[in-house]
Amino acid sequence: DTGVSQNPRHKITKRGQNVTFRCDPISEHNRLYWYRQTLGQGPEFLTYFQNEAQLEKSRLLSDRFSAERPKGSFSTLEIQRTEQGDSAMYLCASSLVGTSNYGYTFGSGTRLTVV
Amino acid sequence: ILNVEQSPQSLHVQEGDSTNFTCSFPSSNFYALHWYRWETAKSPEALFVMTLNGDEKKKGRISATLNTKEGYSYLYIKGSQPEDSATYLCASPWGNMLTFGGGTRLMVKP
Repeated sequence: DTGVSQNPRHKITKRGQNVTFRCDPISEHNRLYWYRQTLGQGPEFLTYFQNEAQLEKSRLLSDRFSAERPKGSFSTLEIQRTEQGDSAMYLCASSLVGTSNYGYTFGSGTRLTVV
Repeated sequence: ILNVEQSPQSLHVQEGDSTNFTCSFPSSNFYALHWYRWETAKSPEALFVMTLNGDEKKKGRISATLNTKEGYSYLYIKGSQPEDSATYLCASPWGNMLTFGGGTRLMVKP
């Protein structure tokens, strides 16, 4: 297992287009999180899954954002009708329930630029 | 919503200097405090997870202390090296997710 993998690393898109990002967590981890980080800020929570169930969504997550984790394995985050304010680093992390004292394992992120 | 704050926002030091920065968090309902190091173009990497008041953890030249009663944690780097240049994030659990501070960006000049 090579850790948490995110694709693509970079995405440039025109305003109004849809984009989809993928996250492959550590295979034994049953929790998967999506965070967004903008310049000068810390990562902000977007949503998390336990297995295939999406258990919590931030108020930051407008209805243009949707996330899935089919079969409790990889996850996708889709942004519809992108806006310039969506430009950010999108981070995925995974953990195993009951082991939060070891911290989360993060991917390298997908940097989205909306032009 | 948990309010986690970090200071300073950025720090420039010379190679060999020792440095420290602060993370503050609400002391009520404390559960844990995480520190991460995030180097450019890499994944944030967990450094420490601290749970007990008075806890002190060490990893090489980096150490951290925790005061849960007054709601702060310090991260110390002894003899900074250019490879220590990174953003250092602290975070505390709120419900089932981590709430992060804004980070301290450390730049170590050779």
